[in-house]
Amino acid sequence: KNEVEQSPQNLTAQEGEFITINCSYSVGISALHWLQQHPGGGIVSLFMLSSGKKKHGRLIATINIQEKHSSLHITASHPRDSAVYICAVQPIIQGAQKLVFGQGTRLTINP
Amino acid sequence: EPEVTQTPSHQVTQMGQEVILRCVPISNHLYFYWYRQILGQKVEFLVSFYNNEISEKSEIFDDQFSVERPDGSNFTLKIRSTKLEDSAMYFCASSDWGNTPSFFHEQYFGPGTRLTVT
Repeated sequence: KNEVEQSPQNLTAQEGEFITINCSYSVGISALHWLQQHPGGGIVSLFMLSSGKKKHGRLIATINIQEKHSSLHITASHPRDSAVYICAVQPIIQGAQKLVFGQGTRLTINP
Repeated sequence: EPEVTQTPSHQVTQMGQEVILRCVPISNHLYFYWYRQILGQKVEFLVSFYNNEISEKSEIFDDQFSVERPDGSNFTLKIRSTKLEDSAMYFCASSDWGNTPSFFHEQYFGPGTRLTVT
């Protein structure tokens, strides 16, 4: 069983739509990361959170530690948001800094 | 803005050959990582490095792999005898740990090196 599960695996939407990507994990964590991977392969960190909610521009990330669940929301989506969005967790092992990744959600925003 | 750099961007090698992938982490960062992503699969952790030694490694990181920080700025991943299944995108990352009150730090990824083993 994967420690990090994302849904949906693929998401196609029209420009302007509100987007939600979900992430569930099965291990105790110290932090959860949302990352963006563009078609060229590069990975960019969007958020790191251990509780509550963070907002950056049109992106919002929330986490519920008790339910082991996080969501990434994109408001007023735009074709340039098209990318793979990856949830990754930092397991709560002393000294552990590694990330355990989900399989990613491929988002396509059509104009 | 500081960034992690990796060279080469693409490396083609024959099975059995040794390859060295190079990374220059962000200069004041203390933790360094290698991850890999086989085409179509999720990103996997290989190894983390702190204070000039390996702090954690995965099952993938067997005796064929080694890491080194030879000169205080570069961070390298060596694969001694490449196999076809080593073909993947290899990402280097670094994070700042220990210099701020927060234990958990964002990881900054390099652009990746695509390794093709033929």
